[in-house]
Amino acid sequence: EAGVTQFPSHSVIEKGQTVTLRCDPISGHDNLYWYRRVMGKEIKFLLHFVKESKQDESGMPNNRFLAERTGGTYSTLKVQPAELEDSGVYFCASSQGTYENIQYFGAGTRLSVL
Amino acid sequence: AQTVTQSQPEMSVQEAETVTLSCTYDTSESDYYLFWYKQPPSRQMILVIRQEAYKQQNATENRFSVNFQKAAKSFSLKISDSQLGDAAMYFCAYRSPRAGNNRKLIWGLGTSLAVNP
Repeated sequence: EAGVTQFPSHSVIEKGQTVTLRCDPISGHDNLYWYRRVMGKEIKFLLHFVKESKQDESGMPNNRFLAERTGGTYSTLKVQPAELEDSGVYFCASSQGTYENIQYFGAGTRLSVL
Repeated sequence: AQTVTQSQPEMSVQEAETVTLSCTYDTSESDYYLFWYKQPPSRQMILVIRQEAYKQQNATENRFSVNFQKAAKSFSLKISDSQLGDAAMYFCAYRSPRAGNNRKLIWGLGTSLAVNP
């Protein structure tokens, strides 16, 4: 069974550009989460999808971030326009069930904004 | 709001020895989940062990065990017979009870563990 996969593994862009990160959850997992780790700080929750619906987006930093999960399968996280403080590692996780308590993670996408 | 604290940014251990990573947390909830995840360099984060707060017995997974002290709000991870493959960043995480929609994980800063041959 394939795990959570994230693309790309590393992205380097200039300030003001747009970047789209992708996450493919484990097949059959309805729950999909995005987290971010900025260097030197804790991993922070960004948002949670249940199927295609945003269940909780309380962690999204601002309106430059847009997350989608069309059809309840893969998800994309777009940053437009990117700022220097957006640099970090973006993790995606998925889980199964209503009362699940195990989230399975991808390897993350390292975003460097120059 | 809940918080998780890992006070050891870096640790090292000799191969075959035992090491304990510390984690404390703060919460007003009586039931919750605690996790240890590990992330080897450039690889995906994987679950090492989890503990349900209502269970008094400490969780164990092979060479990994926890010392869960609910009153002290402490959740340390012990790695026995350390192996080179244990070298990784270890994260402690908290999650609210299963009921409701608040399923996000709250994380500590992480502890980077080096295993010396």
